[in-house]
Amino acid sequence: DGGITQSPKYLFRKEGQNVTLSCEQNLNHDAMYWYRQDPGQGLRLIYYSQIVNDFQKGDIAEGYSVSREKKESFPLTVTSAQKNPTAFYLCASMGQGTGTMVETQYFGPGTRLLVL
Amino acid sequence: GNSVTQMEGPVTLSEEAFLTINCTYTATGYPSLFWYVQYPGEGLQLLLKATKADDKGSNKGFEATYRKETTSFHLEKGSVQVSDSAVYFCALSDVQGGYNKLIFGAGTRLAVHP
Repeated sequence: DGGITQSPKYLFRKEGQNVTLSCEQNLNHDAMYWYRQDPGQGLRLIYYSQIVNDFQKGDIAEGYSVSREKKESFPLTVTSAQKNPTAFYLCASMGQGTGTMVETQYFGPGTRLLVL
Repeated sequence: GNSVTQMEGPVTLSEEAFLTINCTYTATGYPSLFWYVQYPGEGLQLLLKATKADDKGSNKGFEATYRKETTSFHLEKGSVQVSDSAVYFCALSDVQGGYNKLIFGAGTRLAVHP
């Protein structure tokens, strides 16, 4: 089955620690995205990538870093510089080209990050 | 810039009631419009979309019509079920500098009770 997987489902971070959230897709999509969702709020864009080895800052990139070495993978690192990392993190991907499903983002199940 | 405004929740309904969740947008050009649904503890799922004015998206009994004249994309369902309880997000497509993004509204929580 094609889809997006995120791991782990829950992640605990200690003070001053960097942690990395995994996002993998087998949809052959070029574009991938990371969002942060806080309780009772909408989605805020952290980083996005249109193609391999390219990524752009979103609205709240400070304290986060990404890499895009493979088309299938877009890991997000929450660094110690992010002072309030507790949130639900969602990864998404989107296909390119023409067709009825262009511009549609498909989401993974999310990773909940908690601070110890 | 482009933006999406949704009615605030929570919306609380009895089973079999009629549902409307309002969504209006501000955009240059002709964006595609989307409704996503998020069940507790899960990611977002595409519910329906419309790509041009007067298009009607529909899925699972939900409908929304792209109204350019009122810049709206209201979500409706004739008879809600308890299983429809979730958070609903309206979104529009946004292309900046060759990059495709979605702009989301704040979400509207729907609670349906028996």
